[in-house]
Amino acid sequence: GENVEQHPSTLSVQEGDSAVIKCTYSDSASNYFPWYKQELGKRPQLIIDIRSNVGEKKDQRIAVTLNKTAKHFSLHITETQPEDSAVYFCAAIYTGTASKLTFGTGTRLQVTL
Amino acid sequence: DGGITQSPKYLFRKEGQNVTLSCEQNLNHDAMYWYRQDPGQGLRLIYYSQIVNDFQKGDIAEGYSVSREKKESFPLTVTSAQKNPTAFYLCASTAGWGYGYTFGSGTRLTVV
Repeated sequence: GENVEQHPSTLSVQEGDSAVIKCTYSDSASNYFPWYKQELGKRPQLIIDIRSNVGEKKDQRIAVTLNKTAKHFSLHITETQPEDSAVYFCAAIYTGTASKLTFGTGTRLQVTL
Repeated sequence: DGGITQSPKYLFRKEGQNVTLSCEQNLNHDAMYWYRQDPGQGLRLIYYSQIVNDFQKGDIAEGYSVSREKKESFPLTVTSAQKNPTAFYLCASTAGWGYGYTFGSGTRLTVV
């Protein structure tokens, strides 16, 4: 089955700096990679996703890059703000089959003033 | 709550007791999932269902049971066989493979 590793487990940045979270996956057939943000005590919410036919996707201050050859993908947050503080999860799945989304273990991002 | 509702928000279970967590969605999604989240950890899959009257075990199904009698509903029972049930339980649904999951707001279960 799929295995997703996520690094770092914690990340502290100053407001205005950039943050990068990296994930690697094991199943070369995986073709859909979403990222979720979870605030304390709340549900995870989808913030951005990327499919394997695309190398990069941006949405305002958030971007995701995918390297299929190396089987890794990354979340980039620019101009970080205190409200970006949360736990971020990456995930991977091979779509079109009865497979399940496999999540990374999460990164706790702390944006300090 | 974004079309998927979990209840109750907080639940307390006594030793040896079975409890059932409710998950209802009005998104017309075929697939539904139950995840368990422990403090500082990721999401671990308990059970999932792709269609009514069918469900599969996830990675940590022992001590749990589910049913899927209606498309809208996917209740999770935490049985007395689950020795360490204290955790945050999240239900999710998806329209199909290749779509991001929509999560419910979660149920926090505590053993007393």
